[in-house]
Amino acid sequence: DGGITQSPKYLFRKEGQNVTLSCEQNLNHDAMYWYRQDPGQGLRLIYYSQIVNDFQKGDIAEGYSVSREKKESFPLTVTSAQKNPTAFYLCASSKPRQGQPQHFGDGTRLSIL
Amino acid sequence: EDKVVQSPLSLVVHEGDTVTLNCSYEVTNFRSLLWYKQEKKAPTFLFMLTSSGIEKKSGRLSSILDKKELSSILNITATQTGDSAIYLCAVDSGGGAGGTSYGKLTFGQGTILTVHP
Repeated sequence: DGGITQSPKYLFRKEGQNVTLSCEQNLNHDAMYWYRQDPGQGLRLIYYSQIVNDFQKGDIAEGYSVSREKKESFPLTVTSAQKNPTAFYLCASSKPRQGQPQHFGDGTRLSIL
Repeated sequence: EDKVVQSPLSLVVHEGDTVTLNCSYEVTNFRSLLWYKQEKKAPTFLFMLTSSGIEKKSGRLSSILDKKELSSILNITATQTGDSAIYLCAVDSGGGAGGTSYGKLTFGQGTILTVHP
């Protein structure tokens, strides 16, 4: 079955530590996205990528970094510069054409130790 | 700055009731409006509404887009406990070159629906 796989489901970060969240898709989608979800604030876009080796900042990119070396993979690194990383992180993908909805993975919940 | 506002933020009903969820938006380049249902984890896609498709229906769920009022409603009739979830509204304001769309979505805060038996 095609889908989006995020790992791990739960992640704990120590102060000053960088952590990387994995997102893999086998839907053959060109576009991939990372969102952050906080209670009462909906989803906010961190980074997005339409094609391999290209990505753009979203609305809240500070303290995060991404790479897109393969079509199937779009890992997100939460750096120590992100002072409030505790949140639910969702990865999504879509075909980059009008009329194509985004499909989401099951998310990673990141907490501070 | 693009903005999407949902109301109410939370709603508690009993099985069999009908509910209406609201979504209003202010965006610079409207392409489409999407509704998602989120239970525990991944939001699942419900509807996409565009200028050429302003009304959608699937079973007990239906949605209408009012481009004049810059808003949309999601109706759920004969609610069931399985309808309990967060309902998210998002607007696609494009962002790609040459007519393509990066699907740059702006989400509302979500409406938490609780259906009691």
